[in-house]
Amino acid sequence: AQSVTQPDIHITVSEGASLELRCNYSYGATPYLFWYVQSPGQGLQLLLKYFSGDTLVQGIKGFEAEFKRSQSSFNLRKPSVHWSDAAEYFCAVARGTALIFGKGTTLSVSS
Amino acid sequence: NAGVTQTPKFQVLKTGQSMTLQCAQDMNHEYMSWYRQDPGMGLRLIHYSVGAGITDQGEVPNGYNVSRSTTEDFPLRLLSAAPSQTSVYFCASSLSSGGAGKNIQYFGAGTRLSVL
Repeated sequence: AQSVTQPDIHITVSEGASLELRCNYSYGATPYLFWYVQSPGQGLQLLLKYFSGDTLVQGIKGFEAEFKRSQSSFNLRKPSVHWSDAAEYFCAVARGTALIFGKGTTLSVSS
Repeated sequence: NAGVTQTPKFQVLKTGQSMTLQCAQDMNHEYMSWYRQDPGMGLRLIHYSVGAGITDQGEVPNGYNVSRSTTEDFPLRLLSAAPSQTSVYFCASSLSSGGAGKNIQYFGAGTRLSVL
């Protein structure tokens, strides 16, 4: 069965430091992968998506993610974190008519 | 530019009460779905619809009913609320019912439900 694992429940990063959030998926075919961000009390906003082609995808707010088939990973990165990036981040894989979400990683940003 | 609208934003129920969570989208999307979000669990699919008159169960459908009489609306009904249904509920929609793959899903702002 398809699944998504986000190994880090909570990460704290200093403002201006780089960020990498990990995501591993289990899927038999070529996956369609997504990263969503949820600010406190808000809905989910799509950061970026991977369907096919270039394995490094660019998203909004300066985020990027790299699809690595050999590692079954789709890690999210940002070179310099801003305080406004503090939020919960969800990785997801498409399965038919649904999205399968990971359990999320909460990002805190320290000054 | 409303997108996906959910009402109410907050609701408190007593055990055994019934209520309907409303979801409406103005993007003429075929596909609509309901998820629940619980701490440490991510989002889990409750029910979905690939078009008016067509609904199906997701991962956690027990205790919930849905119907899709119009393209725009996809209400979620709790017939007899239980404390285990305390959660944040999100409605989502996407352009096509051809799978969740290339069809980006747009989420509403959520309904926070407490069942006492």
